[in-house]
Amino acid sequence: EVQLLESGGGLVQPGGSLRLSCAASGFTFSSSLMGWVRQAPGKGLEYVSSFGHTVINTYYAGSVKGRFTISRDNSQNTLYLQMNSLRAEDTAVYFCAKVERTNGGDYFFDFWGQGTLVTVSS
Amino acid sequence: SYVLTQPPSVSVAPGKTARITCAGNNIGSKSVHWYQQRPGQAPALVVFYDTDRPSGIPERFSGSNTGNTATLTISRVEAGDEADYYCQVWDITSDSLYVFGTGTKVTVL
Repeated sequence: EVQLLESGGGLVQPGGSLRLSCAASGFTFSSSLMGWVRQAPGKGLEYVSSFGHTVINTYYAGSVKGRFTISRDNSQNTLYLQMNSLRAEDTAVYFCAKVERTNGGDYFFDFWGQGTLVTVSS
Repeated sequence: SYVLTQPPSVSVAPGKTARITCAGNNIGSKSVHWYQQRPGQAPALVVFYDTDRPSGIPERFSGSNTGNTATLTISRVEAGDEADYYCQVWDITSDSLYVFGTGTKVTVL
C-alpha cells in the first residue's frame, strides 16, 4: 500500500524558512517521480514543484521559483521541500504526491499524502 | 499560461447523474485527469488519461474529452460523492507544469 506522510509544517514569520519532509513507503521510491502541490485556505489546488522526466530534473511554479528547492534522499525514501523567503501568500496545506506517467507521455498525481499546514504570519 | 475553467458548483439528487465540465483551449488534444477531494481530506485520483479509472474507483465515475471540454460524469450519485472535484492537465508550455482546474463543489441534495 502506497503511503505518503508529510511533516515539518508550522507557523513561520514572513521572510523565514521551513523544510517540509515526505516519508514514502509501499512503492519503489528511488525510481518514482514525486511532487508538491499546495492548497491555500478555502482555495483550489496549486502545483508547486516536482521532479521531471527523470529523477534528476526539477521544475517549479513561477510563484516559488528561486525561493523553494525540491530534493530527495532515496536512501531514506524521503522527499523534501526547502522553502525560503516565505511570504503570507505561501500559507497553505502542502501535499506530497507521487507522479505517474501516461502512455501518451504526460503526467498526473496518482497518490497523495494528507498534507501539512504552513502558516506564514507575524 | 493554460487555463482550465470549471463551474463553481453542481447540485444533484441521490441516484441521479452529475456532470462536471472542464473547459480549456483545445483540451481534447491533451490528457485530462480528475481528482476528488472530500471535506478535510487529501485529493484522490478518480479518473486519469481521460477515461481510465484507478483500482477501487467505481464504474459510476467516467470521463470524456473532446474539443474544448472535458467532462467527469458521476452516475447514480451517492451521498459519499459530495466533494470538490478538480480536473488537471500537464502542459510543458505553462508556467505551472501541472495545471489544475478551478474546482467544482458537488452537492448531493
